[in-house]
Amino acid sequence: AQSVTQLDSHVSVSEGTPVLLRCNYSSSYSPSLFWYVQHPNKGLQLLLKYTSAATLVKGINGFEAEFKKSETSFHLTKPSAHMSDAAEYFCVPRTGNQFYFGTGTSLTVIP
Amino acid sequence: GAGVSQSPRYKVAKRGQDVALRCDPISGHVSLFWYQQALGQGPEFLTYFQNEAQLDKSGLPSDRFFAERPEGSVSTLKIQRTQQEDSAVYLCASSTDFLAGAYNEQFFGPGTRLTVL
Repeated sequence: AQSVTQLDSHVSVSEGTPVLLRCNYSSSYSPSLFWYVQHPNKGLQLLLKYTSAATLVKGINGFEAEFKKSETSFHLTKPSAHMSDAAEYFCVPRTGNQFYFGTGTSLTVIP
Repeated sequence: GAGVSQSPRYKVAKRGQDVALRCDPISGHVSLFWYQQALGQGPEFLTYFQNEAQLDKSGLPSDRFFAERPEGSVSTLKIQRTQQEDSAVYLCASSTDFLAGAYNEQFFGPGTRLTVL
């Protein structure tokens, strides 16, 4: 079964500075990986997904992630944080018919 | 177009009461999922439907939890004899055909926040 590790439970950045949310996966084969965002009191929204078509994946709201098989990583980045990016972020692997959510990374953006 | 909708958005129940939570998936989506999200945690899988067939219910925490999707569209999650530990946000998600593609995403509803007193 696949699993992921989100290395930071909480990240704080200043508005306008880069964002890095780390995700490492554990799998013996190429995974299906998704990044979801959850704003307070709102539903989960897909940011981007790895489909094996390209290792650099661009998502919504300026986010992107790079799949690095040699490092078993799929880190989420954004060049410049905005206040509206403050939310909970989940790196989600798929195994069979299930998505596995961990505890996520909480992103705080300081004005 | 309309997304996944859930009702009620908030539910307060006394311990021991039965509750029913409704999910309206995106029209045409054959796959439907229920998750439980405790405070400060990520969503945890409860059960999965493909059309009206419940293909996986391995995440249901006890036999007090029951889900149905009789016509392959709207789904109801029922919790009998609610306990305080059932307090959580219950999320519903739908997908075009989750089994047909390894990269099909799930679209989530806003959730129902259940508080058991």
